[in-house]
Amino acid sequence: TQLLEQSPQFLSIQEGENLTVYCNSSSVFSSLQWYRQEPGEGPVLLVTVVTGGEVKKLKRLTFQFGDARKDSSLHITAAQPGDTGLYLCAGEGAGNQFYFGTGTSLTVIP
Amino acid sequence: DTGVSQDPRHKITKRGQNVTFRCDPISEHNRLYWYRQTLGQGPEFLTYFQNEAQLEKSRLLSDRFSAERPKGSFSTLEIQRTEQGDSAMYLCASSLAAGAYSNQPQHFGDGTRLSIL
Repeated sequence: TQLLEQSPQFLSIQEGENLTVYCNSSSVFSSLQWYRQEPGEGPVLLVTVVTGGEVKKLKRLTFQFGDARKDSSLHITAAQPGDTGLYLCAGEGAGNQFYFGTGTSLTVIP
Repeated sequence: DTGVSQDPRHKITKRGQNVTFRCDPISEHNRLYWYRQTLGQGPEFLTYFQNEAQLEKSRLLSDRFSAERPKGSFSTLEIQRTEQGDSAMYLCASSLAAGAYSNQPQHFGDGTRLSIL
């Protein structure tokens, strides 16, 4: 059972465009993490957000945690081909379990 | 390399055989997680350890699956009498955590891809 729903599931855009990926849940999480995964490799952590309403920036990536700590968004400005990958959000819930989202597969076309 | 390592990277076996995977976490990390991931999906939680104690097990983990972390360092995941539905990527992650909600990130290995013929 996936507690976190991501949208869109697939996204194909031209280099230089902006995009936003959403991660939504009806559950409250103590923290939320975003990962990027390349084929054949494990997920690589991009950021952890902890406080409701928190905004973190990582170069061209902006991450926001919802005020109620139930949802999050990832915004990429001026996407590059190197941004291509599977983006995953994961929330830490009760019992120290991490619940992963359904994933967003991003393709940036040169 | 001081990251999480998993062995083997790939395993192909016939249905009905037993398989065992190994995970070596980052040395100072006290928590170790196992996940299963199928193509195009996010990882699904299987189980996790704090030191040598197995604290949570998912309902996904049938009685054919068993995990151990005998000395609180490396861990093994064994699948007995494999079925075709077991074909997936098995990921291990570790973190350093204390308290109920650690807010500490997990660091993942590159997984073991299991294919059942």
